[in-house]
Amino acid sequence: RKEVEQDPGPFNVPEGATVAFNCTYSNSASQSFFWYRQDCRKEPKLLMSVYSSGNEDGRFTAQLNRASQYISLLIRDSKLSDSATYLCVVPEGGTGRRALTFGSGTRLQVQP
Amino acid sequence: EAQVTQNPRYLITVTGKKLTVTCSQNMNHEYMSWYRQDPGLGLRQIYYSMNVEVTDKGDVPEGYKVSRKEKRNFPLILESPSPNQTSLYFCASSLSRTGGHQPQHFGDGTRLSIL
Repeated sequence: RKEVEQDPGPFNVPEGATVAFNCTYSNSASQSFFWYRQDCRKEPKLLMSVYSSGNEDGRFTAQLNRASQYISLLIRDSKLSDSATYLCVVPEGGTGRRALTFGSGTRLQVQP
Repeated sequence: EAQVTQNPRYLITVTGKKLTVTCSQNMNHEYMSWYRQDPGLGLRQIYYSMNVEVTDKGDVPEGYKVSRKEKRNFPLILESPSPNQTSLYFCASSLSRTGGHQPQHFGDGTRLSIL
């Protein structure tokens, strides 16, 4: 099993739709999690941090299920500008050498 | 402005010709790291550094070297580049020495093509 798994997509949705991505992880010691957004050929940028059961920021909601070892990202009222690849990022627990493990990303395409 | 700066942004070179990609951050961050990104594989860590003169291997260190002589700089060195090192490279930094518990700030990326 990969350490961090994401559905690669692409998810093609119309403007205004609600879309959700899941990410499963294998390291049960991980305590904090991140969602990054990456536009084509650009650097990843932090979208949300998830330190407890969940986090909400405007149209974006991230939820964590420690028992099942997955995190999800919900985007409501999708905008054209939300089109990007969304990376799930799981830190290694404690002071582990690798620090962060990145998923391969889920591509979202919002259509007019 | 807080940033991570990589140079060059693009480089096409030939097998065996040593090259260095520089990375500099102005945020006084303890932790710095290099990643490569390849289609379908996501970002993979090459090397990381938790402080000056402290470096360690990531997931894919073969063929690469790094140094951390100053806090702000973390160059990536390819002593004898090969075509399988053609990739998009990102440098990142984080305030936390452990690197994993705080978000990382990424540079703009360096696209390397080794012919």
